[in-house]
Amino acid sequence: GAGVSQSPRYKVAKRGQDVALRCDPISGHVSLFWYQQALGQGPEFLTYFQNEAQLDKSGLPSDRFFAERPEGSVSTLKIQRTQQEDSAVYLCASSNYEQYFGPGTRLTVT
Amino acid sequence: QQPVQSPQAVILREGEDAVINCSSSKALYSVHWYRQKHGEAPVFLMILLKGGEQKGHEKISASFNEKKQQSSLYLTASQLSYSGTYFCGTVNNAGNMLTFGGGTRLMVKP
Repeated sequence: GAGVSQSPRYKVAKRGQDVALRCDPISGHVSLFWYQQALGQGPEFLTYFQNEAQLDKSGLPSDRFFAERPEGSVSTLKIQRTQQEDSAVYLCASSNYEQYFGPGTRLTVT
Repeated sequence: QQPVQSPQAVILREGEDAVINCSSSKALYSVHWYRQKHGEAPVFLMILLKGGEQKGHEKISASFNEKKQQSSLYLTASQLSYSGTYFCGTVNNAGNMLTFGGGTRLMVKP
């Protein structure tokens, strides 16, 4: 079956713009996670959903970051008023136990 | 607090063995191992639950010492395809998200 997909794969935004990153999890996976990965670093946790409920958002770096999963499937990570420090790869993972990662969205804020 | 991985980098000749270690200061529920190649998503290798079990498939295996909060990944008779960055991700008793170590960069040369 299909794995986790993310779109867009690459996004260039000017500082101050809003962006929306999409994640399509593996069908039937209950849990969905968002991670941020800086160059040369391991992924860092942002937020976690179980079905449509956002159970943990302790990793979101500021109130400019917002995530939703309204129907318990597709999820969107939104970043408002992007800053240069938001430049990173944003990874989505879905899980029923092991976490399977999507290819990520590389965000560059200029 | 993120787990500590060692070594940070290792270079092998094809056919040589390697061990990658992952240590945490927190009580762990499980340890997950991933391999990530440049520009790609982390690929799930295996998961170990507390209980000291050892798992493996083909020439890659791992162990988890619950008392020491340590896990080790064993790569036997390395192949060129093993090159990449290996991450351990830990789950503590309180949560579901993965906390990743800084990674171990492995390069296998012919």
